[in-house]
Amino acid sequence: NAGVTQTPKFRVLKTGQSMTLLCAQDMNHEYMYWYRQDPGMGLRLIHYSVGEGTTAKGEVPDGYNVSRLKKQNFLLGLESAAPSQTSVYFCASRGPGWETQYFGPGTRLLVL
Amino acid sequence: AQKVTQAQTEISVVEKEDVTLDCVYETRDTTYYLFWYKQPPSGELVFLIRRNSFDEQNEISGRYSWNFQKSTSSFNFTITASQVVDSAVYFCALSGYGNKLVFGAGTILRVKS
Repeated sequence: NAGVTQTPKFRVLKTGQSMTLLCAQDMNHEYMYWYRQDPGMGLRLIHYSVGEGTTAKGEVPDGYNVSRLKKQNFLLGLESAAPSQTSVYFCASRGPGWETQYFGPGTRLLVL
Repeated sequence: AQKVTQAQTEISVVEKEDVTLDCVYETRDTTYYLFWYKQPPSGELVFLIRRNSFDEQNEISGRYSWNFQKSTSSFNFTITASQVVDSAVYFCALSGYGNKLVFGAGTILRVKS
């Protein structure tokens, strides 16, 4: 039981490049989330999904897209990376009701 | 709108001291949950506790205790006899209707030996 995993762990991009971050969970959770963490700002919600095939915008969605084609996977895409997207990205998942969110180990992204 | 305020940006203590991390929240929801997470230097987020809005009982788990006061919209976290391994960033978070977590900015705790 791996819980929530994220790929890759670290990536360096040049401005304008694209990439996809993968989040996978093996807990059969319906809800999945993508956050970014920046110094002094806590974690902010980018996008989330309440089930396979659904996505919704969070607090800071601009510049990102997501897809939830399979229940266990939630992908975060950057179409044209910008230095402002340098951050640590966390994925989380949770079960139904008011269950606790459990987080992946994070992906550190540096955009030059 | 929901908001979580952790006014203490950074706290430094010496080992064995007690330390309290403050958390004040704002919400209009009548049902909500409050959480504390720990982020050690390794970077992962570790769930510590969850408390619902109808349960104001204080909780103690080993050296950790939590004080939830609805009257002051606070959910404070105390570490008794702090240890170097407690050094981390601690986040308070709130989840109301819609089940999205809103995080505070975090408090950096440094415990010196």
